[in-house]
Amino acid sequence: EPEVTQTPSHQVTQMGQEVILRCVPISNHLYFYWYRQILGQKVEFLVSFYNNEISEKSEIFDDQFSVERPDGSNFTLKIRSTKLEDSAMYFCASSESGTAKANYGYTFGSGTRLTVV
Amino acid sequence: AQRVTQPEKLLSVFKGAPVELKCNYSYSGSPELFWYVQYSRQRLQLLLRHISRESIKGFTADLNKGETSFHLKKPFAQEEDSAMYYCALMGAQGGSEKLVFGKGTKLTVNP
Repeated sequence: EPEVTQTPSHQVTQMGQEVILRCVPISNHLYFYWYRQILGQKVEFLVSFYNNEISEKSEIFDDQFSVERPDGSNFTLKIRSTKLEDSAMYFCASSESGTAKANYGYTFGSGTRLTVV
Repeated sequence: AQRVTQPEKLLSVFKGAPVELKCNYSYSGSPELFWYVQYSRQRLQLLLRHISRESIKGFTADLNKGETSFHLKKPFAQEEDSAMYYCALMGAQGGSEKLVFGKGTKLTVNP
């Protein structure tokens, strides 16, 4: 069964440093997403991406965050200057089509645990 | 506003007992509702979607628009059902694509 792959599984960074979290969505999927889960809290939507542009973003997704699809396979989330409160599990997800989103939800990756110290 | 409420943070049952994980939602339109499961240290996996009215691993969930609920049920719990369960809503209004999750319920099935 196809999977969404995320690397690294765990990243530790110093406050103020830039981090890039990487995701390889399922190959025929067209819609891409980032979610995060702060320890003990709910999974929260960050951003959705379609046709090489952001289609929706939450209030969490401020100027410190950016997303990119630099080539045909990778989908990245960059945090420019990390803060302690950015420590969380970050999940990438992808979906095949608009109809599939509603019918099947998304396929999630296994997540990257980001620890900001 | 879209909101998903899972009132139970923890739920513990014995093997073979019935289990019901509660989910209530708030949404003005017709939502799409899902249950996701997260086994220990693994990815979020889609368990059920309301549109399909299916049964997966013995779990069922019925959308009750009058009560705005989408409770997850299983008549006989198994130890391997122990996991975090998240109810999620996707609103169709305005073309929004985001999933709004509840806080999750940790189910423990004791032997």
